[in-house]
Amino acid sequence: DIQMTQSPSSLSASIGDRVIITCRASQSLNDYLNWYQQKPGKAPRLLIYAASSLQSGVPSRFSGSGSGTAFTLTISNLQPEDFATYYCLQSYSTPMYTFGQGTRVEIK
Amino acid sequence: QVQLVESGGGVVQPGRSLRLSCGASGFTFSRYDMHWVRQSPGKGLECVASVIYDGRNKYYADSVKGRFTISRDNSKKMLYLQMNSLRADDTAVYYCARGKTVFRPDYGLDVWGQGTMVTVSS
Repeated sequence: DIQMTQSPSSLSASIGDRVIITCRASQSLNDYLNWYQQKPGKAPRLLIYAASSLQSGVPSRFSGSGSGTAFTLTISNLQPEDFATYYCLQSYSTPMYTFGQGTRVEIK
Repeated sequence: QVQLVESGGGVVQPGRSLRLSCGASGFTFSRYDMHWVRQSPGKGLECVASVIYDGRNKYYADSVKGRFTISRDNSKKMLYLQMNSLRADDTAVYYCARGKTVFRPDYGLDVWGQGTMVTVSS
């Protein structure tokens, strides 16, 4: 099974900050890595698919990069609505996918 | 619009059974792999069961193998999760989610339902 290690588990940031979240896989995923945002009581929302492609309707301050085993989600110019929990998801080992443990982004 | 709607959650005693349903609309259901993902209170996300587009192949997380059964009815655009021998640690919000299709590049799990809560308690 592919293991996903996401870091940090939580972070505090201020409005306007740049935030970077990292996900590492136990084996190469090529670019089968996706990022999600989840707010309390809501379903996860797809932000980035295929490592770096922005899902329709997602603000351009969200970006993804990486390939193989190391990936990052960057939020530039953090906005109040961005405080949430973020998850990575590998979709390489179809169809049983694996999530990272999540990163909670809190207001400093 | 593209939508998934879960139903069937509730409170159930340990050892009992429950069946979740997920209705799809706004897309060609029979072309997509489908998944059940759960989230225990205050915890992360876990993909517990998956079925490919035609229903022939099914996959389960070790935590539910032998107890849960995923199925689909493409004619009704419905996805199901039969949960037997329920345990307290099965307590979670259960989401259905849309997966891959050969008709486009991979988007991971791009459409999610609103979730249905399952509470296993005596």
